[in-house]
This record gives sequence, C-alpha cells and structure tokens, in this order.
Amino acid sequence: DAGVTQSPTHLIKTRGQQVTLRCSPKSGHDTVSWYQQALGQGPQFIFQYYEEEERQRGNFPDRFSGHQFPNYSSELNVNALLLGDSALYLCASSLIDSNYGYTFGSGTRLTVV
Amino acid sequence: SQQGEEDPQALSIQEGENATMNCSYKTSINNLQWYRQNSGRGLVHLILIRSNEREKHSGRLRVTLDTSKKSSSLLITASRAADTASYFCATVFNTGNQFYFGTGTSLTVIP
Repeated sequence: DAGVTQSPTHLIKTRGQQVTLRCSPKSGHDTVSWYQQALGQGPQFIFQYYEEEERQRGNFPDRFSGHQFPNYSSELNVNALLLGDSALYLCASSLIDSNYGYTFGSGTRLTVV
Repeated sequence: SQQGEEDPQALSIQEGENATMNCSYKTSINNLQWYRQNSGRGLVHLILIRSNEREKHSGRLRVTLDTSKKSSSLLITASRAADTASYFCATVFNTGNQFYFGTGTSLTVIP
C-alpha cells in the first residue's frame, strides 16, 4: 500500500518564476494538507483540501494556491517566487475530521535562487 | 503563537539511555501528537494523545499530557542510534483542523 507520494523530490527555480508541486495521498484518504518547513523550523500549515475545495488556510499570501482533483490528488502552486519561499514542502493526507495522525510524504525541497 | 514549543532544542545522549523531551502550548486542545523527522524528510506519526488522556504507551515510547499545565512529554526508553532524528509535537485544537507544529527537538543518540 503506497503512502503519500510527492513529486518532484528536488526543484531549483529562479526568483519570479512559478512552481507546481504534486501530491498523491495515501490510499483511502480523502483530505490533503500542505505544509512549508523552512530550515531549522517546524512545519507551517499552508492549506487543506477536501472534496476539491480549500477547507482551511494558514497565514500564507495568495501567491500560494492549490487544487484537489477527483482522485484526491493535489497540487500546490506558488507564483512570483521569492528567495524566502525556499523550503521543504510537505504534503500530508488523512481522512476528513479524523482524530488520527497525518501520513506525510517525503517532501519536495524547493530552492529559489 | 498557537504553536507548541519543544524543549530542549537539542539533546545528545548515549545509546541505552532514556531521552525526554517536552512540549508546551498555549490554548486548550483536542489532541496532541508527536512526530519524528529524519534528516529533513517526511514526518512519521509516533503517537496521539487525546485531551482526556493522561498517558499513552507505544513500544519504547511513553507520552504524558498535563492539560492543567498545557504541556506534554515524550520519553524514549533504551534509546538506539536509529532514534537520532528531530521530534515535533503537533497540537490540534478541533477535530479535523490544522495541526500546529513546534520547532522541534533534535535528538542525537551516540553509539
């Protein structure tokens, strides 16, 4: 049973460019959450998707947007990249309103130069 | 900030010793979870403790929760080199809501 799959694993982009990160949730999960983890910090919540809708959003600018597809997979898009967007981006899946832990992917390491 | 805060930031112990790390938070929670992260990769869920629970065990892990002090502790007994990782607590305020992670404790277990 595959866990959460994220692609790509590493990415280098230039300031001002746009990037799309992808996530396939664990089989049976219907909710996808995205986190940003800067070096030496804990993960910060970006947003959560359920039934193809953004259900919750953290304190991130509109440059960060997402999408969830009918098969529950999800994309995270970041426009007008800044150097400060360099981070590990983690996708986590779960069942909606479950009181159990998330299953995390291995993350995408984004470097903005 | 609603984040939990782990203490200490870094911990170095000999293999076989016990490791204790603590987490404090500021507002009432639904549950608190502990995660492990190896070398900046994905997080692995270790254990979840609900607000009406005081202690939980899972293998060599023991978690306590004191809601009056708004704190939790994670004890790893008989540590192994493979336990070397960063450990994060995540607080959940309402079921299904976002998790708030602390800044983590970096544990090094010396063989």
